[in-house]
Amino acid sequence: SNVLTQPPSVSVAPGKTATITCGGDNIATTSVHWYRQRPGQAPVLVIFYDSARPSGIPERISGSKSGNTATLTISEVEAGDEADYYCQVWDSITNHYFFGTGTKVSVL
Amino acid sequence: QLVESGGGVVQPGGSLRLSCAASGFTVGRYGMHWVRQAPGKGLEWVALIWHDGSNQFYADFVKGRFTISRDNFKSTLDLELTSLRDEDTAVYFCARVANGYTNYDLWGQGTQVTVSS
Repeated sequence: SNVLTQPPSVSVAPGKTATITCGGDNIATTSVHWYRQRPGQAPVLVIFYDSARPSGIPERISGSKSGNTATLTISEVEAGDEADYYCQVWDSITNHYFFGTGTKVSVL
Repeated sequence: QLVESGGGVVQPGGSLRLSCAASGFTVGRYGMHWVRQAPGKGLEWVALIWHDGSNQFYADFVKGRFTISRDNFKSTLDLELTSLRDEDTAVYFCARVANGYTNYDLWGQGTQVTVSS
C-alpha cells in the first residue's frame, strides 16, 4: 500500500520547532520528498530524497527518515512557514506517484 | 515556467482539454505530470508521460477517461478529460520531474476545472 499518513495539523509558536511526520508501509525502501503549499499558490519543493535541500531553502528546514516514517522539521518557525505541507513518493513498480494526506502548519 | 490553460465549467459526462505551455527549459529532459487538488483537499497525482512520450501512466481513478500527451517541438503538454464526474472538480497543475529523479522541481499555477450541471 502507498497510503501516506500525515497529521492533519500542527500548531507551533514563533521561534519553536514544528515536526511533521509521514508514515507509510514502503517508506523505508523509497525516497521521500516534501512540498510546501501556501494558500492559493502552487506547491514548492522544500526537501528531496529524504534530506536534501533545494537551493533557496533555509537550513532550518530539514528532513529525515527512520523505518517507515519520514519527518520534516522546521526550526525557528516564522510566520511565513504557515502553509500546508505534503510528503510524496514514487512507486517504482507501477510508476505511480503518491502524496501524503497533508499537514496544515499554523503559527500561533 | 509552466502555464496551464483550458479549464472551465463543464457538465457531468462532458469533456475538456487542458494544456500546459513550458518555457525556459528543454522539455525533452523531463517527465511531465498532471496533479490535481479538489477544493479544500490535498494533492492527488493524475498522470505521467515520459520525457520522449513513449509511455504514459495514470492514477487508478482515471479508469481510461483521461489521456495525457505532449509535443516536445512545441513544448506543450495536454490532458484530455472525458466522461467527467462531479468528483473531478479540482485545480489541475502541470509539473515536471527531471529524468532520473522522482521529485517535482517546477509547478504551474494551475487551471480550474468545475464539473457541474
